[in-house]
Amino acid sequence: DTTVKQNPRYKLARVGKPVNLICSQTMNHDTMYWYQKKPNQAPKLLLFYYDKILNREADTFEKFQSSRPNNSFCSLYIGSAGLEYSAMYLCASSRADWGDYAEQFFGPGTRLTVL
Amino acid sequence: GDSVTQTEGLVTLTEGLPVMLNCTYQTIYSNPFLFWYVQHLNESPRLLLKSFTDNKRTEHQGFHATLHKSSSSFHLQKSSAQLSDSALYYCALSESSGYNKLTFGKGTVLLVSP
Repeated sequence: DTTVKQNPRYKLARVGKPVNLICSQTMNHDTMYWYQKKPNQAPKLLLFYYDKILNREADTFEKFQSSRPNNSFCSLYIGSAGLEYSAMYLCASSRADWGDYAEQFFGPGTRLTVL
Repeated sequence: GDSVTQTEGLVTLTEGLPVMLNCTYQTIYSNPFLFWYVQHLNESPRLLLKSFTDNKRTEHQGFHATLHKSSSSFHLQKSSAQLSDSALYYCALSESSGYNKLTFGKGTVLLVSP
C-alpha cells in the first residue's frame, strides 16, 4: 500500500484560532514532508521530519510547528491562523536514500480556508 | 536558492498531437536531480520521471525527458497526446539525494481534447 492519508480533507478555521492537520502513512518511510500550495504558486516545502528530527525551512520557521509521535503519523500545527494560511497543504513521505533519489508519495491534500 | 520555471500555465492540445512541456531550473549545485510529477483530477501527485544524468533520455509511460545541464532544462515530451494525459504536471528539483527536498515549479495544466 503506497497510500498517504490526510485528515481532514477540508478545514475551515477562524482567524486567530489554532489549526492541526494530520498525515499518516503505512510504508514505514523515515521521512515525512509538508508542502503548502497556493493558487498560481508552486508547492512550497514548509518542513520535514527525518526520523524524529524536525527540519523547518528558514522562511517559515516561525509560522508552523509539527510533531511526529511515531513513524506513521505527522501533524502540521498553526498556532494562530491568519488569512495568509489559506492554502492546500500536501503531505508526502519517502525513505531517505543517500545514493539515489527515493520517490516521494503524496497525500490528497487538506484544503484550509481561514475566515 | 533553487528555482524551477514552467513557462506555460496551460497547454491545450488535440488528441494525437505531440506534447512538450517546458521546464528550466536554477541551482548552485552541480548534480541536481530533476523530476516530473503528474497530478490527475482528484488524485495525489505522483512521480512520472526522474533524472540525474546529463544528456541521457529517461522514459516512462510514453513520456520522455532529457536533462541538459548546459541549458538547465528538463522538458517533458510525448509523441502523441491521449485524452488520459490531461492533468497537472509539475517539474521539480532536488539538490541531492538523502532528504530529497523538492523545489517545484508552478505547474502546467495539460488539457487534451478529442
